[in-house]
Amino acid sequence: AQSVSQHNHHVILSEAASLELGCNYSYGGTVNLFWYVQYPGQHLQLLLKYFSGDPLVKGIKGFEAEFIKSKFSFNLRKPSVQWSDTAEYFCAVRANQAGTALIFGKGTTLSVSS
Amino acid sequence: ETGVTQSPTHLIKTRGQQVTLRCSSQSGHNTVSWYQQALGQGPQFIFQYYREEENGRGNFPPRFSGLQFPNYSSELNVNALELDDSALYLCASSQETTSETQYFGPGTRLLVL
Repeated sequence: AQSVSQHNHHVILSEAASLELGCNYSYGGTVNLFWYVQYPGQHLQLLLKYFSGDPLVKGIKGFEAEFIKSKFSFNLRKPSVQWSDTAEYFCAVRANQAGTALIFGKGTTLSVSS
Repeated sequence: ETGVTQSPTHLIKTRGQQVTLRCSSQSGHNTVSWYQQALGQGPQFIFQYYREEENGRGNFPPRFSGLQFPNYSSELNVNALELDDSALYLCASSQETTSETQYFGPGTRLLVL
C-alpha cells in the first residue's frame, strides 16, 4: 500500500531561519506530489504541486519543493520563514495507476517565533 | 468563484446514531472527494464521487456511504456511529477525477459521545 512519511512532527524556528520539511513516499510508479498548508483556523490550501518536468517546483509565498525520484522524496523548502508561516504542512501523493485518492502524511506543525 | 462549502461546521452525536454531512462543490467542479482527519493525523481518503457515481473508495466500512446530486453537491452518511468516528470530515472538489488540484472545504467537526 502507498504511504507518505513526514519526518518532522513539530518544527520550531525563529523568523528569517531557513526551512526544510522532509517527505518520502512509497510507490514505484508515476506519482503526482503535493504540499498543502493549513493555517490556524483555515482550511487546507495548496502550496505547490509536481506533475512532471522540472523537479524543482515553486509555489506560493516563496515556498519551493524538489522531487528526487531516486530517493522517493519531495522536500519542502523556504529560505527565510516569517511568523505568518506558522501552520500545519501536509505532503500528499497521488499514484497515477492507483486511482484518484490523495494519500497524506501525518503533517508537520511549524511554529515560527518573531 | 464560490469555494467549497460544508455544513454543519460542528456536530455532536452519540454512539449508534446516524449522521449526514453536506458539501457544495466549487463552481464548475464535477468531482467530490471525502476525507476523514483524526486529531494529529493527515486526512484519510474515504471515497470519491464523479458525476453521481462512486469512483474509488478507501479503507472504510460500508456504514460510510455517500451520494452526489445532479448539481454535483454531495452527502456523506455514517451509520451506527462509533467513538472513533470523531474527526474532522473534509470535502474536496475538482474539475475531473484526475484533475491537478483538489480544493478543500473548511470541514465538519464531528464528536461522537
